[in-house]
Formats: sequence, C-alpha cells, structure tokens
Amino acid sequence: AQKVTQAQTEISVVEKEDVTLDCVYETRDTTYYLFWYKQPPSGELVFLIRRNSFDEQNEISGRYSWNFQKSTSSFNFTITASQVVDSAVYFCALSEETSGSRLTFGEGTQLTVNP
Amino acid sequence: DTAVSQTPKYLVTQMGNDKSIKCEQNLGHDTMYWYKQDSKKFLKIMFSYNNKELIINETVPNRFSPKSPDKAHLNLHINSLELGDSAVYFCASSKQLTSGPYEQYFGPGTRLTVT
Repeated sequence: AQKVTQAQTEISVVEKEDVTLDCVYETRDTTYYLFWYKQPPSGELVFLIRRNSFDEQNEISGRYSWNFQKSTSSFNFTITASQVVDSAVYFCALSEETSGSRLTFGEGTQLTVNP
Repeated sequence: DTAVSQTPKYLVTQMGNDKSIKCEQNLGHDTMYWYKQDSKKFLKIMFSYNNKELIINETVPNRFSPKSPDKAHLNLHINSLELGDSAVYFCASSKQLTSGPYEQYFGPGTRLTVT
C-alpha cells in the first residue's frame, strides 16, 4: 500500500529565510510518481511538480527546488528566500503505476512566512 | 477561462437532504476525479472516471453517487446528507494514462456544510 508522510505539521519562518518541507513515501512499486501541490489560504490546489521514480535529478524552478532521493524514499521541497506569498499548506502526493491514477496525499505542512 | 470549475462554491443544507455538486473541465482531459478534504485538511480520493467509465471507487458510502454524462463533466450526488459529510469537495482532471499518472488539475472546491 502506498503511504506519504509529512512529519512537519506546521513551520513558521521569517521572510527571506530558506525553508525545507520534508516528504517521505512508502511504496512497493518500482514505478511511481511523486507530486507537490500548494494550497494557499484561498483554498485552491495548485500543481507544482511531477517526478517519476526513474528520474532522480534534482529540479529547480525559480526559488523552488526539489530533492528526490530513492535511497531514503524522500522527495523534499525547498523554498529559497521565502516570501509572505509562500504561506500556504503544501501537500506531497504519490501515485503508483499499478494503482492507476490514484493520488495518495500526505497530511500537508502549513507554512507561515512572517514579514 | 477557468480550467476546472465547480458549482456551487458553498453549499449549506440540513441533515437528510439530497444535494448535487457539478464539475466541468475545459482542458480536454479524459480522466476526472472527486476528492474529499476534511476539517484537518486531509485529502482523500473518492472516485475517478476515465472516458465516462468508473475506474476508482474508494470506500465511500453508497449515498454518494458520481455521474459522468460526458468526459468533460463529472457530477457528485449525495443522498440523505449527514453531519459527517461536511467537508470541502474537490473535482480534478488529468490527461489519460499512457506513460504513468499525469498531474491532476483541481477545481476551486465546494464547501459543504450540513447542519
């Protein structure tokens, strides 16, 4: 069975600090996909990234970067120079190839960036 | 243009009533989903349709019945509403599965409150 753990329930930082959101997953499949979504206070869910299990290259998109390590079953998300607009709940999610399109979400990390 | 839209955005109703939530996507996607987000922000899949065919049916009370009249629409009908049904319901869509699960794009959510 697939499972995603986001151990950090809440994180609070001051603007311009770097912050890393942890995500650990469990799966028996060799082929799987990992995702991050952002849910700002307005409530919508915004797709950030999709990564398959065969691509362990780290990815950078502006102030966002993702570190995928199969050896530790982790897919961590770092925001560099955080801004108040980054305040949101961030969800990590997993989909196994054998489970079709089912997304299993972690419990989310509430990030608050203070001015 | 809104990619995935849901109506209504808010729904307040009494126990025992029957209600429907409508979802439409204009992304040309073949797969649509319903998720439930509880008061602790936990997201869980309920149903998934691919080209109008039900492919995921999680352990959901049979008071919940999805209906897909065409691949651009997926509606959720709930009979005999209970207090525990209060939650935010998200519709989502994605491309058809070919090379693994694609990212899902979410609607704005429908906040259902049962009194």
